[in-house]
Amino acid sequence: DSGVTQTPKHLITATGQRVTLRCSPRSGDLSVYWYQQSLDQGLQFLIQYYNGEERAKGNILERFSAQQFPDLHSELNLSSLELGDSALYFCASSADRGGTEAFFGQGTRLTVV
Amino acid sequence: AQSVTQPDIHITVSEGASLELRCNYSYGATPYLFWYVQSPGQGLQLLLKYFSGDTLVQGIKGFEAEFKRSQSSFNLRKPSVHWSDAAEYFCAVGNTGGFKTIFGAGTRLFVKA
Repeated sequence: DSGVTQTPKHLITATGQRVTLRCSPRSGDLSVYWYQQSLDQGLQFLIQYYNGEERAKGNILERFSAQQFPDLHSELNLSSLELGDSALYFCASSADRGGTEAFFGQGTRLTVV
Repeated sequence: AQSVTQPDIHITVSEGASLELRCNYSYGATPYLFWYVQSPGQGLQLLLKYFSGDTLVQGIKGFEAEFKRSQSSFNLRKPSVHWSDAAEYFCAVGNTGGFKTIFGAGTRLFVKA
């Protein structure tokens, strides 16, 4: 158990809908990272938050947004969902802002139908 | 451009045999290098990392990796594979400027009895 909790584990929704994925980092970790893992794109970095502020941005679509709350949990919002958004979404956390050692959650599997 | 190449999509080894998983990277600055393992339905677990110093790094579960700057490689090795090592292995490269870590496509390891 990495100490990173993601909910829900599975999500099935229709195209055009909006969903929210939640991540609770390890106790004391200030950085949260979001990743998307799909068969065709592999593991792609989406975005990083450090202590409530956006720190780094990767290949995140404009339809996607994230935030980190004062209690350090984070949410990833995916809107206007398309079939191609079906993937495994991972959250990771680390104590520092550089990600020298990140701990991954078990992921949320999103299926868009 | 920054990239990570894992030339082998899958590898099959016999239990008790030695293992080497290949990783080549392209990175402009001094890289931080990681190996992660992902078991089915699980998140990624850090096996080992290289930042600086001794180019041979030891990790968990009996794994080690050697950084060879001249070859831009960071190959993962294990002297004797166990059936429980069957999983997908990801090599990654990044820096401490933000966790824009780039992951390789992964190598799936199969272990036969």
